[in-house]
Amino acid sequence: NAGVMQNPRHLVRRRGQEARLRCSPMKGHSHVYWYRQLPEEGLKFMVYLQKENIIDESGMPKERFSAEFPKEGPSILRIQQVVRGDSAAYFCASSPGTSGFGELFFGEGSRLTVL
Amino acid sequence: GENVEQHPSTLSVQEGDSAVIKCTYSDSASNYFPWYKQELGKGPQLIIDIRSNVGEKKDQRIAVTLNKTAKHFSLHITETQPEDSAVYFCASTSGGGADGLTFGKGTHLIIQP
Repeated sequence: NAGVMQNPRHLVRRRGQEARLRCSPMKGHSHVYWYRQLPEEGLKFMVYLQKENIIDESGMPKERFSAEFPKEGPSILRIQQVVRGDSAAYFCASSPGTSGFGELFFGEGSRLTVL
Repeated sequence: GENVEQHPSTLSVQEGDSAVIKCTYSDSASNYFPWYKQELGKGPQLIIDIRSNVGEKKDQRIAVTLNKTAKHFSLHITETQPEDSAVYFCASTSGGGADGLTFGKGTHLIIQP
C-alpha cells in the first residue's frame, strides 16, 4: 500500500520560472494538505483541499501560488514567477477525511531551489 | 489563529537517558495534539498523539502528557537510543481532524553514544 507520493523530490528553477509540485495521496484518502518548511523552521500550513474543492487556503500567499486537486490525478501546487524566497521543502499530507480526529500521512517532500 | 511554541530547539542527551520536549498552545479549543518525528531528508511521521479527553498516553518508550488548564503538552522518551536522533515536531488542531495542523518549530534531538 503506497504512501503519499510526491514528485519531483528535487526541483531547481531560475527566478521568474514556474514550479509545479505534484502529490498523490494514499489510496482511499480524499483530503490533501500542503505545508511549506523553511530551514530550521516548522511546517507552515498552506492549503487544504478535497477532490475538486479548496476547503481552506488561509496559509497560501495571495499571489503566484495556487493549488488544485482534480477529480482525476494528483494534487498540484503551482508557483508562478518563482523568487529566491520560495526556496523551501514543500510537503503534502493526506487523510481519509472521516469525521473525528485523523492522522496526517506525509510524503517525502519536494525540495525547491530557486537560483 | 493557533500559536504553538516548542522548547528546546536542540536537545542533546546521553544514550540511555530520558528526553523531554515541551509545547504550549494558545487556542483553548484545540483538542488534538500529535507528535511527529522527521528524519533527515524525509517527511514527518506520526509517533504518538493525544486527545483532549486524556491526560497521558504511553506507547513503549514514548509518552505524551497533556495539561489543558495550562495549555501545554510534553513528549517523553525514555531509554533513548541512537535511532531516536531526529527532529521532533508537536502540533495541535481544534478541527475534527479535517483541518490543518499548527506545528511547533521543532526540536533537534541528538543522542550521544
